[in-house]
Amino acid sequence: KAGVTQTPRYLIKTRGQQVTLSCSPISGHRSVSWYQQTPGQGLQFLFEYFSETQRNKGNFPGRFSGRQFSNSRSEMNVSTLELGDSALYLCASSFYGKNTGELFFGEGSRLTVL
Amino acid sequence: QQQVKQSPQSLIVQKGGISIINCAYENTAFDYFPWYQQFPGKGPALLIAIRPDVSEKKEGRFTISFNKSAKQFSLHIMDSQPGDSATYFCAASNYGGSNQGGKLIFGQGTELSVKP
Repeated sequence: KAGVTQTPRYLIKTRGQQVTLSCSPISGHRSVSWYQQTPGQGLQFLFEYFSETQRNKGNFPGRFSGRQFSNSRSEMNVSTLELGDSALYLCASSFYGKNTGELFFGEGSRLTVL
Repeated sequence: QQQVKQSPQSLIVQKGGISIINCAYENTAFDYFPWYQQFPGKGPALLIAIRPDVSEKKEGRFTISFNKSAKQFSLHIMDSQPGDSATYFCAASNYGGSNQGGKLIFGQGTELSVKP
């Protein structure tokens, strides 16, 4: 069974640009969550989508947005990039409803903002 | 109240020794406490998890001890091996609450190094 796939794995942008990251969850998983990982702040929850609806949102500015498609694939977008947005962005999927709570993480998209 | 505090930040243990990582939380609504292991260049992977109705859970060399009254939980790695060298994150969530399944609050992480 294929794991969570994130693309692109690495990208470099400049301040003010926008970026879109993609996540394909494990087949059958309907919940997709996004996390930002930085050395200073650790792993921080961005948002979660379930059945194309945003179910939870973390404490990030409106520049961070996401969506989920009918096939459960998800994208997140960051507009007007700032230097502080440089981070590893992790996507996780889960089979919500099985009551295991386990999140399956992808390897992440590493964003560098210059 | 949403924080999970983890210590130590880094830990060096000799092969065969016991590694102990501690976490504390404040939100009594948390009802699911997983530990994740992350190797460089990889995403975190679930190691072991516990719910507050039990005080201890053991899986192989990994044990979670949970103290509900103190709002603390810890990970013990017995017979630590060099292959255990990784970053460990504790986390908590209000999994049983409505629509909280994918939202984990993570501790800051502990970088474990097991020396041969």
